Amino acid sequence: DAGVIQSPRHEVTEMGQEVTLRCKPISGHDYLFWYRQTMMRGLELLIYFNNNVPIDDSGMPEDRFSAKMPNASFSTLKIQPSEPRDSAVYFCASRPPGLVDEQFFGPGTRLTVL
Amino acid sequence: SQQGEEDPQALSIQEGENATMNCSYKTSINNLQWYRQNSGRGLVHLILIRSNEREKHSGRLRVTLDTSKKSSSLLITASRAADTASYFCATDPNFGNEKLTFGTGTRLTIIP
Repeated sequence: DAGVIQSPRHEVTEMGQEVTLRCKPISGHDYLFWYRQTMMRGLELLIYFNNNVPIDDSGMPEDRFSAKMPNASFSTLKIQPSEPRDSAVYFCASRPPGLVDEQFFGPGTRLTVL
Repeated sequence: SQQGEEDPQALSIQEGENATMNCSYKTSINNLQWYRQNSGRGLVHLILIRSNEREKHSGRLRVTLDTSKKSSSLLITASRAADTASYFCATDPNFGNEKLTFGTGTRLTIIP
């Protein structure tokens, strides 16, 4: 079975540009989580969805960040405009329904904003 | 602030020795999970222990949970070079809440 798929794996962009990160969760999973990992702040939850509906976006740092989940197999995290402090590794994770608490992580997207 | 704080931040041991990492947290939990992250990779779930459990085993892993002290430990026995990674504890602070809060991690290096 394919795991969580993220693209691109690496993204280098200039300050002010729009960045879109993509995630395909594991089929059948109904929870999707977006995290950001930096050396300074560790692993932070940005937003999560259940059945394609955003449940908690309290971790989204600013209005420059937005996330969508148009269907069960696709989600995007967009940063517009990007800033150097957005440089981080962004992870997507999914979780199956029911009483399973384990999250399955994708390989991450390393974002560098120059 | 992080819900979970791992201790130590970094640990280096010889291959074959046991490695122990600790995690402290602040609020009541439903369960506590441990994840491993290899360099440049995503996190991988290792083991979950529920609040009504005190100890759990999985292969070379042993996890303990002390809810009165709000702490957990992860023991890796007979360490191998492949165990070199960062280890994170994660808690779900509220019952019925799907959010996980991750600790700061312990960087484990196994010296061959």
